[in-house]
Amino acid sequence: SYEVTQPPSVSVSPGQTASITCSGDKLGDKYACWYQQKPGQSPALVIYQDDKRPSGIPERFSGSNSGNTATLTISGTQAVDEADYYCQAWDSSTHVVFGGGTKLTVL
Amino acid sequence: QVQLQESGPGLVKPSETLSLTCAVSGDSITTYYWTWIRQPAGKGLEWIGRFYASGDTNYNPSLRNRVTMSVDTSKNQFFLKLTSVTAADTAVYYCARDVIIRGGETLFYYGVDVWGQGTTVTVSS
Repeated sequence: SYEVTQPPSVSVSPGQTASITCSGDKLGDKYACWYQQKPGQSPALVIYQDDKRPSGIPERFSGSNSGNTATLTISGTQAVDEADYYCQAWDSSTHVVFGGGTKLTVL
Repeated sequence: QVQLQESGPGLVKPSETLSLTCAVSGDSITTYYWTWIRQPAGKGLEWIGRFYASGDTNYNPSLRNRVTMSVDTSKNQFFLKLTSVTAADTAVYYCARDVIIRGGETLFYYGVDVWGQGTTVTVSS
């Protein structure tokens, strides 16, 4: 079965750029989405179709997907961005696969 | 504004069947795909499956033998049944909207864009 892998944790200083990776075999051939989950809350979609932001998501969130790696980038990271982030791969045969999640710490 | 609300027993005995309902408001259940996702405490997200009101369903291969999803379009609700549960099925269960749009021969995926608040299900005797 298809799998995607994320680093368990990423740390970033306020105002700096955070990058969270998601790796999977030929992931660039699939759609990648990213979800943000804060403690006690449901996940929220922050990136879809590799690099598109839903309405209401700040411009500092961006995404890319090529080869075997999708990347979520948060520019000018703020304390409010501290959360767990999950990548998700999709295609019509794989359906939905989530990564294990990355805890982003802003310190 | 689309809203989803899960409901069902919070406690299920081992070997029994877990049954959950998701009530959808603000959107017709016949318009999109709808999905169930679960999350054990302190762990990551696990996709359970999705369905379309027309009957098209896709299940996680690891759960396929135990999962059934169904819908009541008259009540704008959909349902999850998971049989033969064990402690490993203890989790927060989310229902959500999964947006897949067909454009000719191509499917475009827009992600899981609306989530319910989740309901905690514990499997214990």
